[in-house]
Amino acid sequence: GAVVSQHPSWVICKSGTSVKIECRSLDFQATTMFWYRQFPKQSLMLMATSNEGSKATYEQGVEKDKFLINHASLTLSTLTVTSAHPEDSSFYICSARDREWSSGNTIYFGEGSWLTVV
Amino acid sequence: QKEVEQDPGPLSVPEGAIVSLNCTYSNSAFQYFMWYRQYSRKGPELLMYTYSSGNKEDGRFTAQVDKSSKYISLFIRDSQPSDSATYLCAMSGRTGGFKTIFGAGTRLFVKA
Repeated sequence: GAVVSQHPSWVICKSGTSVKIECRSLDFQATTMFWYRQFPKQSLMLMATSNEGSKATYEQGVEKDKFLINHASLTLSTLTVTSAHPEDSSFYICSARDREWSSGNTIYFGEGSWLTVV
Repeated sequence: QKEVEQDPGPLSVPEGAIVSLNCTYSNSAFQYFMWYRQYSRKGPELLMYTYSSGNKEDGRFTAQVDKSSKYISLFIRDSQPSDSATYLCAMSGRTGGFKTIFGAGTRLFVKA
């Protein structure tokens, strides 16, 4: 199946600093990538939809100035958590939709990134 | 009412049992139906994908879609302790630009 790589898999940062998480589709082109947040024992919460070459679409309640998303190419999207605070500590997961419709419109997930803000 | 309803469990079964996981949905425009498996502290992994109604089998896994009832199922035969994970159903359709909607996920425990 298609592979989505997410990096770093875990990161610890100090409160007030910014952290960047990368999401790459390794063997397919992804016109659309998605960013999720997941709290322990809870389901995925969609944060934003990222389309290549355009601004991301944020879900209600997600601060776009705090969670900066850039989708500069068909294989790379980045999420930057700016001025991170302990309440931003969470598991962040990206996913990507294969550009080719023959894939059946399925989306593939990265391995996730654990962010801990101290 | 949520667009996709999935019992969060937990569901606990003995090794070797047949597991049935289900989701119901309300949007008749959904055409693509997926099942993902998520192990603790990992990203979800695509297990099964089905387009429209019907059955699909892959090894010990069988996915069923009944669009008339707006009901999808995932069956796991001869369940193993390694199947212990959270299983998420997901679906999408032309409405809303193929936005994928996820169920809450069902936590499954297979006891040795």
